[in-house]
Amino acid sequence: DSGVTQTPKHLITATGQRVTLRCSPRSGDLSVYWYQQSLDQGLQFLIQYYNGEERAKGNILERFSAQQFPDLHSELNLSSLELGDSALYFCASSGTGRPNEKLFFGSGTQLSVL
Amino acid sequence: AQSVTQPDIHITVSEGASLELRCNYSYGATPYLFWYVQSPGQGLQLLLKYFSGDTLVQGIKGFEAEFKRSQSSFNLRKPSVHWSDAAEYFCAVGLSPTSGTYKYIFGTGTRLKVLA
Repeated sequence: DSGVTQTPKHLITATGQRVTLRCSPRSGDLSVYWYQQSLDQGLQFLIQYYNGEERAKGNILERFSAQQFPDLHSELNLSSLELGDSALYFCASSGTGRPNEKLFFGSGTQLSVL
Repeated sequence: AQSVTQPDIHITVSEGASLELRCNYSYGATPYLFWYVQSPGQGLQLLLKYFSGDTLVQGIKGFEAEFKRSQSSFNLRKPSVHWSDAAEYFCAVGLSPTSGTYKYIFGTGTRLKVLA
């Protein structure tokens, strides 16, 4: 058990809808990362937060947004969903978000857009 | 641009055989280097990491990796593969900021199949 909790584990929705994925980082970790994993794109970095502030942004679509709350949990909001958004979304956490730290991954949220 | 390349998408080996998974990176300096493993239905777990010093690093589950600066490579090895090693393996690099932003980049992964 990595200590990172992601909910829900599975999500099935329709095109055009909006969903929220939730992540609770490992106790004591201040930084949260979001990744999208699909068969054709591999593991794509979306966004990183540190202590409530956005630290780095990757290949995140404008339809997607995220935030980290004062209790350090994070939410990834996906709107106007398209079929191509179907993927496994991972959250990871680390202590301070520096590049020499290992990441602790949650088990992911499998999103299916029908 | 910074990148991580894992040239082998799939690898199949027999149980007991040796294994080498390749990883090359593109970056102006030596990054922080990592190997992660993802078992089916699970998140990624760190196998080992390299920051500096001895270029041969030992990790969990009997894995080791060697950093070769001249080749910009960080290949993962195991002398004798077990059936439980079947998983997907990701190479990753952590980059210190040149423009104020840390980066943590993953390769596309290598899926390992182990034959009994």
